[in-house]
Amino acid sequence: AQSVAQPEDQVNVAEGNPLTVKCTYSVSGNPYLFWYVQYPNRGLQFLLKYITGDNLVKGSYGFEAEFNKSQTSFHLKKPSALVSDSALYFCAVRDWTGFQKLVFGTGTRLLVSP
Amino acid sequence: GAVVSQHPSWVICKSGTSVKIECRSLDFQATTMFWYRQFPKQSLMLMATSNEGSKATYEQGVEKDKFLINHASLTLSTLTVTSAHPEDSSFYICSARTSGAPTQYFGPGTRLLVL
Repeated sequence: AQSVAQPEDQVNVAEGNPLTVKCTYSVSGNPYLFWYVQYPNRGLQFLLKYITGDNLVKGSYGFEAEFNKSQTSFHLKKPSALVSDSALYFCAVRDWTGFQKLVFGTGTRLLVSP
Repeated sequence: GAVVSQHPSWVICKSGTSVKIECRSLDFQATTMFWYRQFPKQSLMLMATSNEGSKATYEQGVEKDKFLINHASLTLSTLTVTSAHPEDSSFYICSARTSGAPTQYFGPGTRLLVL
């Protein structure tokens, strides 16, 4: 079965510092990986995805993620954090069975302090 | 980009009444739609999935007679919470994907409070 692990409930970083939000996955078949961000009382916004090709994927708002097949990881990164990046981040992998739904991690809360 | 809307964004209702939530894809054809429920500080729980024109497929433990889902067109899906009770209070989020495309896009969510 497909699964996603986000080992950190919360990540704290100072504004201007680089940030990393960790994600590891387990999937049968080719990994289609996604990152979404959720602001309070809002739905999820798509940040970026890895389907194939370059291991470094660039997405919205300056975020990027690195696909590492050997470590089965897809960590989200940003070179310089902003206070406005504070939100809940979800990693997801596509389940290739049935409707090919997304399987989500438990989410990581990012808190960027001024 | 692909936009998914939900209406209403907030709803408060009395126990025993039914509530309908609409989910629309505004600029793409949503061949598959997903309905999620999210409890405070938790991840999303998939409730059901539907293809346009077909009956929804419900996840284990989700009562199909309580949470009625209709996906009648390529741009609209509705979730009706029938005979709502306080324990149905939650944040409901829909998501849509078009055939052959890898990405799911999410609506802004609907906060339901049952008194």
